[in-house]
Amino acid sequence: GAVVSQHPSRVICKSGTSVKIECRSLDFQATTMFWYRQFPKQSLMLMATSNEGSKATYEQGVEKDKFLINHASLTLSTLTVTSAHPEDSSFYICSARKGSGYTFGSGTRLTVV
Amino acid sequence: GENVEQHPSTLSVQEGDSAVIKCTYSDSASNYFPWYKQELGKRPQLIIDIRSNVGEKKDQRIAVTLNKTAKHFSLHITETQPEDSAVYFCAASSDLNDMRFGAGTRLTVKP
Repeated sequence: GAVVSQHPSRVICKSGTSVKIECRSLDFQATTMFWYRQFPKQSLMLMATSNEGSKATYEQGVEKDKFLINHASLTLSTLTVTSAHPEDSSFYICSARKGSGYTFGSGTRLTVV
Repeated sequence: GENVEQHPSTLSVQEGDSAVIKCTYSDSASNYFPWYKQELGKRPQLIIDIRSNVGEKKDQRIAVTLNKTAKHFSLHITETQPEDSAVYFCAASSDLNDMRFGAGTRLTVKP
């Protein structure tokens, strides 16, 4: 079946530093990937849609300069949280559409101290 | 864009009873409605899905119904078990739109 590998699963970083999260589709080509953010006890909120070879589409209220998305190949999308602050601490998860369904990465727990 | 509302936010049932979670959506173009179960800190797991050309779908103890006219769909879990305890999310998407999630329902099944 469709598998999306997401790394790292957990990361702790200092305020002001940047963190990169990777999502790879292992057995299929994902022209589109979605990045979600989830706060404790809340739903998954779509941050942006990542399109291979073009600029990502960001949802309203999401700072594109802070959350940099790169989808340089059909199997890799990255989310970089720049100049991280404690309020960026959250669970970040990617998803790729394959055919008529969606496959999720395992998620990244980001803690900014 | 699509807006998905989900109720209730919390649901507690006795083991063996049924649980029903309801969702409404706003975009008539939405044609795919998955339900996910999420354990704490893990990825959502697809438990059942339904497309707009179908009114009902069942998989063992889990069933989903869809009313396109009213733009609502529901998850039904029968003979609930303690391991069904989790957070459940409904979602809606179309061929053009990204998938949007409901706010989630925390289901607790008491032994």
